[in-house]
Amino acid sequence: TQLLEQSPQFLSIQEGENLTVYCNSSSVFSSLQWYRQEPGEGPVLLVTVVTGGEVKKLKRLTFQFGDARKDSSLHITAAQPGDTGLYLCAGPSGGYQKVTFGTGTKLQVIP
Amino acid sequence: SQTIHQWPATLVQPVGSPLSLECTVEGTSNPNLYWYRQAAGRGLQLLFYSVGIGQISSEVPQNLSASRPQDRQFILSSKKLLLSDSGFYLCAWQWTDYEQYFGPGTRLTVT
Repeated sequence: TQLLEQSPQFLSIQEGENLTVYCNSSSVFSSLQWYRQEPGEGPVLLVTVVTGGEVKKLKRLTFQFGDARKDSSLHITAAQPGDTGLYLCAGPSGGYQKVTFGTGTKLQVIP
Repeated sequence: SQTIHQWPATLVQPVGSPLSLECTVEGTSNPNLYWYRQAAGRGLQLLFYSVGIGQISSEVPQNLSASRPQDRQFILSSKKLLLSDSGFYLCAWQWTDYEQYFGPGTRLTVT
């Protein structure tokens, strides 16, 4: 089973600060997805990265896939309270049908 | 566009009672369907997945079962609930490229 470890587990920052969340594995992934989940709701897909070294931007969010496709990072610039939530990375596991989810990073942005 | 529904949104059940959670998807055909359980603020544990009608794969031996009586319907059941079955249950569908789309979830409390 391929594991995805996320760090930090918890992060509390002031509005306007920058932050980076990490997703690491000892296994190679053909792609990685990032999701954001707000309390009491289902996760929402933010982005998929496929190519080693790939960088994707979604407004103030920047996603990067490691060159070796074993890790990924999410950088948020000038965080806002609306960024608060649980951030999950995920990747294919055990064949076409299944996905492994990371341990999650819970982000709180204080106004 | 595709839509995924789950009900009920919240459920409080006594230990030993039966359970039936339902998930339906609209706007797509023959999706892969998934049931996850999530502990508070943590990652997702895959419980069951299905690649077609009547085809169920179980990931974790437990007190739960799943069925897929129709292409876009996925049901999670239990004959007798345990306290440890409490949690947030999420249904998801997947078409291609490992990107999953989640329902709103069911908060189950077993008392």
